[in-house]
Amino acid sequence: DIVMTQSPESLAVSLGERATINCKSSQSVLYSSNNKNYFGWYQQKPGQPPKLLIYWASTRESGVPDRFSGSGSGTDFTLTISSLQAEDVAVYYCQQYYSTPYTFGQGTKLEIK
Amino acid sequence: QVQLVQSGAEVKKPGASVKVSCKASGYSFTGYFLHWVRQAPGQGLEWMGWINPDSGGTNIPQNFQGRVTMTRDTSISTAYMELNRLRSDDTAVYYCARDRGDYSSDHWGQGTLVTVSS
Repeated sequence: DIVMTQSPESLAVSLGERATINCKSSQSVLYSSNNKNYFGWYQQKPGQPPKLLIYWASTRESGVPDRFSGSGSGTDFTLTISSLQAEDVAVYYCQQYYSTPYTFGQGTKLEIK
Repeated sequence: QVQLVQSGAEVKKPGASVKVSCKASGYSFTGYFLHWVRQAPGQGLEWMGWINPDSGGTNIPQNFQGRVTMTRDTSISTAYMELNRLRSDDTAVYYCARDRGDYSSDHWGQGTLVTVSS
C-alpha cells in the first residue's frame, strides 16, 4: 500500500497570511503514460463530508477560490493557501488514487492564530 | 445539481450486518464510479472500495474483502454498501462519493453514522 504522510499535523496561521501543508507518498504517484499525478487534496469542515479542492496535484476543482493552489510531482506535494480566510479553518487531507487501496494522509488541522 | 443522499444512522450489535444506501440524482448514475469511504470518530479517512454502477463491478481492498459487498440498483439510481460481521471498531461515518472520472471524488453524500455496540 502507498503510505501518505502529511506535515504538519496541525497548523495555526494568522488571517491573511500564507498556509502551507505538505504531503509525501511512499512511492511515486506519477503515471508516466499521461504525465499526471494521481493525487488530490480535500478540505473537511466539522460535521461535513470532505470537499475536493485539487486534483491532478495542481488543478483546482470548479468553484474553489484561487487562493488555494497545489504543487509537486512524484512523491512530494504541497497545498498552499495564499491568504488565509476564517472560512478556511478545517482539516485538510491528501489522497493518492494511483493504485488501490487509494490512501489518505492522516490530516492536517488548520486553525487561526 | 449532483446529489448523493444516504440512508439514516444505524445502531448494530457486534456480529450483525449493516447495509447503507446512497441515492444519486442530477447526473447519469451509470456514467460514474462510486466510492465508499469511512471515518471513525475523530479519525481520518479510509477508502473502502468502488463500484462501477454500469457493470456492477467492484474493487474492494484486501482488508475489507469477505466482509464488504457493494451493489447497485440502476432502476432507482441507488448504490449499497453492506458490511458484515460488525465489530466495535467499525463504528464510523460511512460516505459514498462520486468518482470525478480519474478516481478522485468530486461529490459526497452527507454520511451515515453506524454505531456498533453491545
